[in-house]
Amino acid sequence: AQSVTQPDIHITVSEGASLELRCNYSYGATPYLFWYVQSPGQGLQLLLKYFSGDTLVQGIKGFEAEFKRSQSSFNLRKPSVHWSDAAEYFCAVVPNTGGFKTIFGAGTRLFVKA
Amino acid sequence: DVKVTQSSRYLVKRTGEKVFLECVQDMDHENMFWYRQDPGLGLRLIYFSYDVKMKEKGDIPEGYSVSREKKERFSLILESASTNQTSMYLCASSTPKLAGTSYEQYFGPGTRLTVT
Repeated sequence: AQSVTQPDIHITVSEGASLELRCNYSYGATPYLFWYVQSPGQGLQLLLKYFSGDTLVQGIKGFEAEFKRSQSSFNLRKPSVHWSDAAEYFCAVVPNTGGFKTIFGAGTRLFVKA
Repeated sequence: DVKVTQSSRYLVKRTGEKVFLECVQDMDHENMFWYRQDPGLGLRLIYFSYDVKMKEKGDIPEGYSVSREKKERFSLILESASTNQTSMYLCASSTPKLAGTSYEQYFGPGTRLTVT
């Protein structure tokens, strides 16, 4: 079945430490790939996106993500986490089948400790 | 900047009431969406619309209906609210790929609905 999997429900990292949030998808053709962030009490905001080309994409707030076709993964990374990064992060795909519906993962909540 | 606004941030309704959630976007987007968000379940699509007066069911349309009379406005209606519809409701909009953009969605701040 087509799906988007974020295996970590929550992650805790120390401020200043590096971060990697995992995302795997299950679709036949490479979909359009996104990461969104949701701060407490807010809607979702786009961090970055991948459609084609360079497999390492840069986003806002110092985030980057790497697309790995062989692993069907699109992991989000940040070299040094700030306390303000505490939020929920959603991986999402738009299947490359001509439609525009977005499929969201269940989300990973990031906690940052001082 | 794209702005998506929702009529209420918090709403408390009684079981059986008819509930209207309103969403307005100011960027002339063709596509609009209603999701509900529950812990551990991520975002689930209720309904979407790709044009005025057009609507399509999403993954969980039961108990909901929608209305899109104007391009900028997309309303979600709970015909008879029930306690299992207590949730966070998020509205979003996007433009078609043909417009040169890339399917990213722009979200409103959400409405937290409690049905008692």
